Amino acid sequence: AQSVTQPDIHITVSEGASLELRCNYSYGATPYLFWYVQSPGQGLQLLLKYFSGDTLVQGIKGFEAEFKRSQSSFNLRKPSVHWSDAAEYFCAYSGGGADGLTFGKGTHLIIQP
Amino acid sequence: DAMVIQNPRYQVTQFGKPVTLSCSQTLNHNVMYWYQQKSSQAPKLLFHYYDKDFNNEADTPDNFQSRRPNTSFCFLDIRSPGLGDAAMYLCATSSTSLSGSYSYEQYFGPGTRLTVT
Repeated sequence: AQSVTQPDIHITVSEGASLELRCNYSYGATPYLFWYVQSPGQGLQLLLKYFSGDTLVQGIKGFEAEFKRSQSSFNLRKPSVHWSDAAEYFCAYSGGGADGLTFGKGTHLIIQP
Repeated sequence: DAMVIQNPRYQVTQFGKPVTLSCSQTLNHNVMYWYQQKSSQAPKLLFHYYDKDFNNEADTPDNFQSRRPNTSFCFLDIRSPGLGDAAMYLCATSSTSLSGSYSYEQYFGPGTRLTVT
């Protein structure tokens, strides 16, 4: 079965510093990959998605992610974080169709002043 | 703005007392999903409706049921809530195109936090 791994449970970054959140997926075919952000007590907001084509995708709030098939990775990046970026970040996978998303366990991002 | 709405945002129910959570959408999407998210965990798919077709995940307990009376509304019924069912319940939608292909992108509501006492 397909799986999504986010190896970092917590990450602490200073405000203004760069950020990279890691995501690895396990599946043979072309994946459909997503990054969602969740603030405490809130639903999930889509940051960006990869379906095909250009492997570097741009999202909202200044985030980008790069799909690397050779490494089965889809890491999320931001050049300069803001305090408002503190949240839970989920990487998710869809194998196609309407079967729902498989989520990683999430990475909790802490921003320190 | 088009959106996914969940009511109530917070629900408290007693152990064993049936409870219904509501989801509505103004996106006119034909696929609707219910996810369960326990504290500090990832969302887990319970089931989804593709139009009127109900698709249950293999490991979703029988205690969880769903209804979709029309395109806009979907309900999650928990017949006999246990303490282990306390969680955030997220509704999401997605759309297939006229050709039948999927957009794969899911739009989430704000969730309903269920407490079982």
